[in-house]
Amino acid sequence: GENVEQHPSTLSVQEGDSAVIKCTYSDSASNYFPWYKQELGKRPQLIIDIRSNVGEKKDQRIAVTLNKTAKHFSLHITETQPEDSAVYFCAAFYSGTYKYIFGTGTRLKVLA
Amino acid sequence: GAVVSQHPSRVICKSGTSVKIECRSLDFQATTMFWYRQFPKQSLMLMATSNEGSKATYEQGVEKDKFLINHASLTLSTLTVTSAHPEDSSFYICSAVTGPARKGEQFFGPGTRLTVL
Repeated sequence: GENVEQHPSTLSVQEGDSAVIKCTYSDSASNYFPWYKQELGKRPQLIIDIRSNVGEKKDQRIAVTLNKTAKHFSLHITETQPEDSAVYFCAAFYSGTYKYIFGTGTRLKVLA
Repeated sequence: GAVVSQHPSRVICKSGTSVKIECRSLDFQATTMFWYRQFPKQSLMLMATSNEGSKATYEQGVEKDKFLINHASLTLSTLTVTSAHPEDSSFYICSAVTGPARKGEQFFGPGTRLTVL
């Protein structure tokens, strides 16, 4: 079935360190993988995305890597700052059924 | 561009009443709108997919007679929670998808916090 696993569920890092969040999807037909940051009571914000024809994408301190063979994709945040503290969700877009499936979320805490 | 509004932002109602939530794409035509529900400290769970002029597609376990979706135009979809009960209390978020130019990218509304007493 359609499933996205996300790890870890919580992550605490010291300010300035890197954070990595990993996701695995089930359907090899998935072709679009966004990452969202959500603050309490707010809507998810798209922070970076990657399509299936690309293996890596970077935007300043944020990068995403995709391994289609293993059906893994990861979010990398470097030089973390306290304002990076939030819940992060990965998602996979299933083009066959035209819907998004979200991962379970990672609560990131950046300690000053 | 690509702004989605949602109304109301917060609603408190008595058990047994119905609540309507509106989702609008303000500056684009949305080919598809999605409705999600998010319980505290949990992920977004897709409830249904809404396409203009056709019946919504509901996810397994979501009662279509309880969560009525009407996609009247390319800029408006509504979710009505009928005979709401306390277990329906949740954060409801819609999203809208634009056309082929940005295929797959969804834009979220600000969400509606529903509390059923």
